[in-house]
Amino acid sequence: GIQVEQSPPDLILQEGANSTLRCNFSDSVNNLQWFHQNPWGQLINLFYIPSGTKQNGRLSATTVATERYSLLYISSSQTTDSGVYFCAGKGAQKLVFGQGTRLTINP
Amino acid sequence: DAGVTQSPTHLIKTRGQHVTLRCSPISGHKSVSWYQQVLGQGPQFIFQYYEKEERGRGNFPDRFSARQFPNYSSELNVNALLLGDSALYLCASSLSPGGTEAFFGQGTRLTVV
Repeated sequence: GIQVEQSPPDLILQEGANSTLRCNFSDSVNNLQWFHQNPWGQLINLFYIPSGTKQNGRLSATTVATERYSLLYISSSQTTDSGVYFCAGKGAQKLVFGQGTRLTINP
Repeated sequence: DAGVTQSPTHLIKTRGQHVTLRCSPISGHKSVSWYQQVLGQGPQFIFQYYEKEERGRGNFPDRFSARQFPNYSSELNVNALLLGDSALYLCASSLSPGGTEAFFGQGTRLTVV
């Protein structure tokens, strides 16, 4: 089955810095999503991006499906960006999640 | 429009007991999936249902079962609870089982003591 790897596992930055989170997947996927998990556990949808580039405010994402990776960019980080970010790829029926990147933004 | 709703939000059970978790998908979504997330890990797939039929099952023991009702809501049942079943259980809904975007509920945090 599909395997998803995220890097780095942990990232600590100062407020205002930019960050890049990476997601590699082992096989072609029908769906690639980025989530932010809030402190209460809910997965908040950031991007649905099987291919191409999308932007939403300070966040943007790029998926290069032929090379099996996706990148999440966060610009001008704020303390509220802290938390765990997951990417997940879907093959047949299920979403396969990476282990997540824990982002800490210090004031 | 209401998002994916799960109940209860928190639950404490004793080893050996049975638990039922509930999920209502987004209106118009016919596919519901269940995931288990243990502390420090990414969610793991348990089941997918579409049009009331099981479409996929993850690597979980037979103590785990689920069903989907005519209104597309779903239940996840776990029998003979073990301490290791303590986790956050997440429900996701999507239009179809294929490549469409999935949306998650707030989860049910199950603690087995």
